[in-house]
Parts: sequence; structure tokens; C-alpha cells
Amino acid sequence: GAVVSQHPSRVICKSGTSVKIECRSLDFQATTMFWYRQFPKQSLMLMATSNEGSKATYEQGVEKDKFLINHASLTLSTLTVTSAHPEDSSFYICSARGTSGGAYTQYFGPGTRLTVL
Amino acid sequence: GENVEQHPSTLSVQEGDSAVIKCTYSDSASNYFPWYKQELGKGPQLIIDIRSNVGEKKDQRIAVTLNKTAKHFSLHITETQPEDSAVYFCAASRRTGANNLFFGTGTRLTVIP
Repeated sequence: GAVVSQHPSRVICKSGTSVKIECRSLDFQATTMFWYRQFPKQSLMLMATSNEGSKATYEQGVEKDKFLINHASLTLSTLTVTSAHPEDSSFYICSARGTSGGAYTQYFGPGTRLTVL
Repeated sequence: GENVEQHPSTLSVQEGDSAVIKCTYSDSASNYFPWYKQELGKGPQLIIDIRSNVGEKKDQRIAVTLNKTAKHFSLHITETQPEDSAVYFCAASRRTGANNLFFGTGTRLTVIP
């Protein structure tokens, strides 16, 4: 199946700093990428949807100035958590949608665990 | 919007037995239903999906059934193994446009050796 990579897998930062997370689709072109947040023992919560070359669409309650999303190419999207605070600590997962093997499918990255001290 | 409900939230089975997880959805326009397996500390992994023009799909020990009239779909795992232990999520979406997947709340499956 298709592969989505995410980097870094873990990051620890101090409160007030910014953190960038990269998401890449390795063997297919992702016209749409999604960013999710997952708290322990809970389901995935969609933060935003981005299409290549256009501004991301944020879900209600997600601060677009705090969670900056860039989808500059069909294989790369980045999420920057600006001025991170301890409550931003979470598991962030990206997902890329495209066609692989002729079928439309959505694949997920391995996730990034962010810990803000 | 779409609302996906998933049951049970936890499921324990003996190794070799079958496991069944059920989901219902509310949006009749949904026509793509994937299932994901998530192991601790990892991202969700697509294990099987079904589209609305198909009622059942099987891949080795895993099968998914879809009843569009009743708006429910189920995951069946036969001959369970300890490595099947994980959290399983169902999801639903419309295929067109930039519509997102709507996830169920997850089922924690434990296979007891």
C-alpha cells in the first residue's frame, strides 16, 4: 500500500517555542492532506484539510494562527504549532488522500508525539 | 454532518475465536467505509475498505460487510491472533470533493493467548 511518512516522530519543546511537523506522501501524489489530533484513548479529531497550493480549511475551534499549515507540493504538507503551550501536547497525525493502484484511498502517517514542557 | 457510532468500545476474545465490530452512520450520501487498525504509539493503518456498490469484501482473515439500507457496516476478524490486539476505527465519507473521513470512537480489541 501507499506510504505516508511523518517527521519527527517525537518532539519535546519548551513552552513558547514553535514546532514544525512534516508529512510526506512517498509513492503517490496527495491532492488533499489532513491533519488530526488524538488524545489518549480517544478517536482522531480533524484539525484542518489542505489542498495543494491553496489555504487550509480549519475545523471549528481550531486556531489557524496557532496551527499553521502549508501544502506547497503534492507530496509535502507541514504543520507548525506556534507558541506551543503544555495543553498543545498531543499526538498529531497527518493523512494523505490520493489514488494508489487505481483506487481512491486515504493513508495515515505514523504520527508525531508532541510534548510541551 | 455525518455521525459514526462504533460498538463495542472494548472487546476481549480468546485466540482463535472471531471478533466482530459494528458501526452505524447517519449520512445516506456516504459511500466509502474504511477500517483502520492503530497500535499503541502509531498512526492508523488501513486494513480493509468497502465502497457502496459492494455488500461484502474479504481479505484473508478480515472481512467487512455493508448494509446501506440500514446504514451499518461491520468488521469481522476470524481466527484471531495476539497480534490482532489493537484499537480499531471505522470511518465513513463521501468520495467526492475534499470530504473528510468521519471516524467512530474506536474499539480496543484484546486477543487472549
